[in-house]
Amino acid sequence: SQQGEEDPQALSIQEGENATMNCSYKTSINNLQWYRQNSGRGLVHLILIRSNEREKHSGRLRVTLDTSKKSSSLLITASRAADTASYFCATDGTGGFKTIFGAGTRLFVKA
Amino acid sequence: DTGVSQDPRHKITKRGQNVTFRCDPISEHNRLYWYRQTLGQGPEFLTYFQNEAQLEKSRLLSDRFSAERPKGSFSTLEIQRTEQGDSAMYLCASSHRDREPYETQYFGPGTRLLVL
Repeated sequence: SQQGEEDPQALSIQEGENATMNCSYKTSINNLQWYRQNSGRGLVHLILIRSNEREKHSGRLRVTLDTSKKSSSLLITASRAADTASYFCATDGTGGFKTIFGAGTRLFVKA
Repeated sequence: DTGVSQDPRHKITKRGQNVTFRCDPISEHNRLYWYRQTLGQGPEFLTYFQNEAQLEKSRLLSDRFSAERPKGSFSTLEIQRTEQGDSAMYLCASSHRDREPYETQYFGPGTRLLVL
């Protein structure tokens, strides 16, 4: 079963706009990661946020984590056509080695 | 780092046949993962190795699936008596336990399996 659930399932925006996607999960976590997948480059790690962190930035990416609500958001600012991809959140629990991915948000950035 | 490689990239087989996939992780990465991904879904965890030890295995991995990492380097995933429901992309990833952030996984391009 998939622990993370992304919202929305699909998002279409114009180049230059910001894109926000959300992830909810069910059990306690050590960390939450965001990955991107497109046909050209496969799955690529974007950013990791640990359970004791609330916000993290990396370039045009901003991730927030609310452990009380068991949710995270990924903001991509000033989107580009090259950001068109599927975005997945992934969590690993406080025990074991399993990493659980959500079903993903499909982002389409129109030039 | 040359990246994670997987072989073959595509495999078409008939129902009932056995298939084996290979994954070569990034050199010195001691953690190796296998996932299965179907269309429109995220990767589903199958199994995890630390060096040569298989430390976790999903319940999704039926008795027809087996994975090995005999020398702690490359890994193989074998599916016996394939079924049409096994058609999916099989992804391999690796990470290094002692390099921050050690949870970051580097994925290979995947092996796409089609069972006819």
